[in-house]
Amino acid sequence: DAAVTQKPRYLIKMKGQEAEMKCIPEKGHTAVFWYQQKQSKELKFLIYFQNQQPLDQIDMVKERFSAVCPSSSLCSLGIRTCEAEDSALYLCSSRPGHPSYEQYFGPGTRLTVL
Amino acid sequence: GEQVEQRPPHLSVREGDSAVIICTYTDPNSYYFFWYKQEPGAGLQLLMKVFSSTEINEGQGFTVLLNKKDKQLSLNLTAAHPGDSAVYFCAVRGHYAQGLTFGLGTRVSVFP
Repeated sequence: DAAVTQKPRYLIKMKGQEAEMKCIPEKGHTAVFWYQQKQSKELKFLIYFQNQQPLDQIDMVKERFSAVCPSSSLCSLGIRTCEAEDSALYLCSSRPGHPSYEQYFGPGTRLTVL
Repeated sequence: GEQVEQRPPHLSVREGDSAVIICTYTDPNSYYFFWYKQEPGAGLQLLMKVFSSTEINEGQGFTVLLNKKDKQLSLNLTAAHPGDSAVYFCAVRGHYAQGLTFGLGTRVSVFP
């Protein structure tokens, strides 16, 4: 089975605080993705890295988030100033080099903003 | 951009019966399609993938059909069992996008 790791599994922040979550992609995968899932339903694409470079991201990420992949074995997603609407499950996925390959997901980090 | 409509949102299935989940997408240039399963408190588990207009039967008790003419993707659960209870998501990758566009999910409950 694919083994994308995410830490922490649960994160609680107060409104206005900074949050950071980490993802270890599956070994050998060159593409990393972050998604936001609210209310156990809608999954929203946030950002895509290829070989550690961010190649696509939505406007919300540009404005309020910070995302980096300093190495092929570690990526992080941060929120500079948490808001209540940021409460969600943040899912990281990775994919081998070929674009047709499927994405494998980690278990997610559940962020609660109080 | 791509939009994906998934129906039904909820599905109650008697053990041993079959059920169908249908996704309709908008971008005719999309050509990578996936089904994921999400159990409570867990991430997404890849269930099936399909890249061409063909019927694929993979795994245990599932059939996937892609109809590119009608831009529809369907997941057919055959002989449902309690372990199939979960939320199922279809996902589509458009021609110019790298990220996946997901349907809103279908919560499947299998009862005895």
